[in-house]
Amino acid sequence: EPEVTQTPSHQVTQMGQEVILRCVPISNHLYFYWYRQILGQKVEFLVSFYNNEISEKSEIFDDQFSVERPDGSNFTLKIRSTKLEDSAMYFCASSETSPINEQFFGPGTRLTVL
Amino acid sequence: DAKTTQPNSMESNEEEPVHLPCNHSTISGTDYIHWYRQLPSQGPEYVIHGLTSNVNNRMASLAIAEDRKSSTLILHRATLRDAAVYYCILRDPANAGGTSYGKLTFGQGTILTVHP
Repeated sequence: EPEVTQTPSHQVTQMGQEVILRCVPISNHLYFYWYRQILGQKVEFLVSFYNNEISEKSEIFDDQFSVERPDGSNFTLKIRSTKLEDSAMYFCASSETSPINEQFFGPGTRLTVL
Repeated sequence: DAKTTQPNSMESNEEEPVHLPCNHSTISGTDYIHWYRQLPSQGPEYVIHGLTSNVNNRMASLAIAEDRKSSTLILHRATLRDAAVYYCILRDPANAGGTSYGKLTFGQGTILTVHP
């Protein structure tokens, strides 16, 4: 069964460093998303991406964040200058031909900012 | 977005049915009722969705009240693997391409504990 994959599974970084989280969505999917979940809190939407551009972003998704689909298969989330409060699980998701379709989530990347 | 209310937690015994309620009294006529779950240390996982009629799939059943102000996710025989946080989420296709481009808005959900 096709699945969303994410790398790395765990990333440790120093405050102020740049990180890139990588996702490979399901191949025929057209809509892509990033969510995050701070430990013990609810899952929060960050950004949606369709047709090579951002469709919607939340207040959390400020200028420190960017997304890219560089090669037609990968979908990346970059945090330019990490802060302690960016420590969280980051989930990538994708959906098929319509944004209302079910979303398939990856296993997540645990980001720890020291 | 219309709001949903779920109990914080529920418990069940293995191999017994589980009924997870969700209230959504401000649901609009075009809102679909979606359920996702999140197993420990994993990403959320789609379970089922419906609009008006009851729905069944290999994972669960969804019973929707006639006035659509509430719904119940039914796990027919709970297993230890069903221990997870269950989220009831309303999604409006009319909004999916507008102000809410398909994003899922998660609440706190219901923590389901399954006892052996």
